[in-house]
Amino acid sequence: AQKITQTQPGMFVQEKEAVTLDCTYDTSDQSYGLFWYKQPSSGEMIFLIYQGSYDEQNATEGRYSLNFQKARKSANLVISASQLGDSAMYFCAMRVDFTQGGSEKLVFGKGTKLTVNP
Amino acid sequence: EPEVTQTPSHQVTQMGQEVILRCVPISNHLYFYWYRQILGQKVEFLVSFYNNEISEKSEIFDDQFSVERPDGSNFTLKIRSTKLEDSAMYFCASSGSSGYKNIQYFGAGTRLSVL
Repeated sequence: AQKITQTQPGMFVQEKEAVTLDCTYDTSDQSYGLFWYKQPSSGEMIFLIYQGSYDEQNATEGRYSLNFQKARKSANLVISASQLGDSAMYFCAMRVDFTQGGSEKLVFGKGTKLTVNP
Repeated sequence: EPEVTQTPSHQVTQMGQEVILRCVPISNHLYFYWYRQILGQKVEFLVSFYNNEISEKSEIFDDQFSVERPDGSNFTLKIRSTKLEDSAMYFCASSGSSGYKNIQYFGAGTRLSVL
């Protein structure tokens, strides 16, 4: 079964420094997608970045980049130049395609709580 | 920027009561989803909806749950007889397509408290 593992319950980083949030995944599918979402204390789920399994280059979105290592089945999120507003829960997720109906779902990890210190 | 809108932001109800959680997906999106997140736990898939019918549902989505797209803009989740364990954050999501490049965009969630 498809599974996402985030082994870091909490991470601390100093403002303006870079931080890496770990994510490993398990799937036997050849085509899949990996996502990172940010959940601030207010509760909303904000899409950050996407990496497709066939994408040869690592995805980047502003200060966010995804370190995709397919052979190791890892998709770590790198946040550069951390800001106080980056303090939040971060969830790694994987798209799982249903075999019938053309639909899909996201499978989420347990999340990592990032705290940015001034 | 288009966004998924959910109302209410917080719903308090008594056990056994019916609740309807409302969502307005992004206007040109065709695929709709509900997820829930029990406090401190991971986000779990409930149901996907396309072309006015359920595409897939999880084992959580039992007969107490139903979804509907009553008009061209709203997408609702109904819990017929709420239980204490239904207390959670419920997220609506929508996407313009399915498959490889698809991205699901989430609303801000409805926090359901069952007393």
